[in-house]
Amino acid sequence: NAGVTQTPKFRVLKTGQSMTLLCAQDMNHEYMYWYRQDPGMGLRLIHYSVGEGTTAKGEVPDGYNVSRLKKQNFLLGLESAAPSQTSVYFCASSFWGVSKSNYGYTFGSGTRLTVV
Amino acid sequence: AQKITQTQPGMFVQEKEAVTLDCTYDTSDPSYGLFWYKQPSSGEMIFLIYQGSYDQQNATEGRYSLNFQKARKSANLVISASQLGDSAMYFCAMREAGGSYIPTFGRGTSLIVHP
Repeated sequence: NAGVTQTPKFRVLKTGQSMTLLCAQDMNHEYMYWYRQDPGMGLRLIHYSVGEGTTAKGEVPDGYNVSRLKKQNFLLGLESAAPSQTSVYFCASSFWGVSKSNYGYTFGSGTRLTVV
Repeated sequence: AQKITQTQPGMFVQEKEAVTLDCTYDTSDPSYGLFWYKQPSSGEMIFLIYQGSYDQQNATEGRYSLNFQKARKSANLVISASQLGDSAMYFCAMREAGGSYIPTFGRGTSLIVHP
């Protein structure tokens, strides 16, 4: 049981280049999320999805696009990378909004992206 | 305004002592949940403990307990008998029923356990 898998784990981009980060989960979770983590800022939500074919903006969506064509995959795209997008990106997934602790959020191991 | 506030950027504790990490939250939703996650230097996010807004008792999970004071809107994490392996970043998070259960995270507290 792999849980949430993020690829790649590390990447260096030049300013203006594009790339796609892939998040795959095998837990049949409805909800999927993309966060970025910057020092002193915690985790900030970029985009999220509440089901296949649906996406929504989070707190810091500018410069990113997402797609969820299949329930198990959530892709994060950077069309024209900027140094401000240097960060660690985390994908997470969960079942739909239940209240108990068991149904928390499963995180991937993160992608460290550097834009030079 | 921040929904989750962690006012301690860094904390130090002696091994085997207890430590409290502070978390206050802001919501008008009567149905919400509070989480704590641990992020060691390896980077993974590890779920520690959960408290629902309607839970009558404070949550406990082994050495972790959540001091839930609803009127004060605080959800402090208490780690008893600290171990060297507890050195990590700790994040408090909240999800609200009215917010589609999307979690919001605080900025984190870095805990260092001294031998």
